[in-house]
Amino acid sequence: GAVVSQHPSRVICKSGTSVKIECRSLDFQATTMFWYRQFPKQSLMLMATSNEGSKATYEQGVEKDKFLINHASLTLSTLTVTSAHPEDSSFYICSAPPQGLAKNIQYFGAGTRLSVL
Amino acid sequence: GQQVMQIPQYQHVQEGEDFTTYCNSSTTLSNIQWYKQRPGGHPVFLIQLVKSGEVKKQKRLTFQFGEAKKNSSLHITATQTTDVGTYFCASVTPKFYFGSGTKLNVKP
Repeated sequence: GAVVSQHPSRVICKSGTSVKIECRSLDFQATTMFWYRQFPKQSLMLMATSNEGSKATYEQGVEKDKFLINHASLTLSTLTVTSAHPEDSSFYICSAPPQGLAKNIQYFGAGTRLSVL
Repeated sequence: GQQVMQIPQYQHVQEGEDFTTYCNSSTTLSNIQWYKQRPGGHPVFLIQLVKSGEVKKQKRLTFQFGEAKKNSSLHITATQTTDVGTYFCASVTPKFYFGSGTKLNVKP
């Protein structure tokens, strides 16, 4: 099946620093990618939809200046958590639907566990 | 925000027992998907249901889509320890929202 690579898998940073998370579709092109946040024992909450070549669409309550999304190519989307604080600690996961017949199926990256000290 | 509710939140079963999780939406869904997330892992696509009243089977897993396309269920027959994980339903349109998930624990 389609492969989505997410990097890094884990990051520990100090409060106030920025963290960039990369999401790559390895064997297919994705004009759209999705970013989710998952708190322990909770569901995945859609944060934003990343659109190649245009601005991301953010869900209500998600600060776009806090969570910067860049979808510079058909295989790469990045999420930057700016000025991270302990409350930003969470599991961030991206997904991408391959184009074509399987376009509705989401293939997920392995996720990034962010810990802000 | 989220459009689908899922119950139960947790389920503990003895190996060999059956398990069912239910997904309910207040609005009609064009289709619904099911995913499984193992502890520490990421969600993995299981199946997509599109038609009203659709029933699909994957070995011991049976997926149903309600006639009104507002609810869905996943039933596992004779659970095994490999079934442990959290099962999510997801509405695909208008946006991709996950249900709250049901965490399944299977005791050997």
